[in-house]
Amino acid sequence: AQTVTQSQPEMSVQEAETVTLSCTYDTSENNYYLFWYKQPPSRQMILVIRQEAYKQQNATENRFSVNFQKAAKSFSLKISDSQLGDTAMYFCAFMKPTNTGANSKLTFGKGITLSVRP
Amino acid sequence: NAGVTQTPKFQVLKTGQSMTLQCAQDMNHNSMYWYRQDPGMGLRLIYYSASEGTTDKGEVPNGYNVSRLNKREFSLRLESAAPSQTSVYFCASSFHNRESYGYTFGSGTRLTVV
Repeated sequence: AQTVTQSQPEMSVQEAETVTLSCTYDTSENNYYLFWYKQPPSRQMILVIRQEAYKQQNATENRFSVNFQKAAKSFSLKISDSQLGDTAMYFCAFMKPTNTGANSKLTFGKGITLSVRP
Repeated sequence: NAGVTQTPKFQVLKTGQSMTLQCAQDMNHNSMYWYRQDPGMGLRLIYYSASEGTTDKGEVPNGYNVSRLNKREFSLRLESAAPSQTSVYFCASSFHNRESYGYTFGSGTRLTVV
């Protein structure tokens, strides 16, 4: 079974600065996907970024980028130029794709609460 | 497109009461899921349905039942609610093929059992 660990329960960052959220995972699989989800106070789960394990290049989406270290089983999220709207809970998640494409369950970490200070 | 629609958004139950959480998706996804979110625990899988007509237990299935009514709808039933089932419940659906994959969440149901 896969496990996802987010060891920092809370973080705070000044507006316009950069912050890195940590995530480690444990799996014996070689092919898998990793995700960061954002959950603002509205409760909606919003996909921030995703990474396929077979890709060596780190994924980037505007101000969001990841540092994917497959050997170390580490998947950190870097938020550049932090904005007040980035205040939210962030979840790291793991998915092992199946051969049929169905039944692609997500395994989540416990989440980290990020506060962006004005 | 509506995506994944959950009803109700809020519910208060008394211990021992029953209720069904409804979920429907309009994206023609094969797989659907029910998760619960508790403080400090992240989201945990309750039940899932890989395809129409099949359902399987997830990590925390005790106290719940599910029905995959058709490809669009996947309901979660609490037969006898307990305070430990106070949580936020999320329904989700997914697709995955050689070219792409996607996972869509509903907006959640906040359930309080008193």
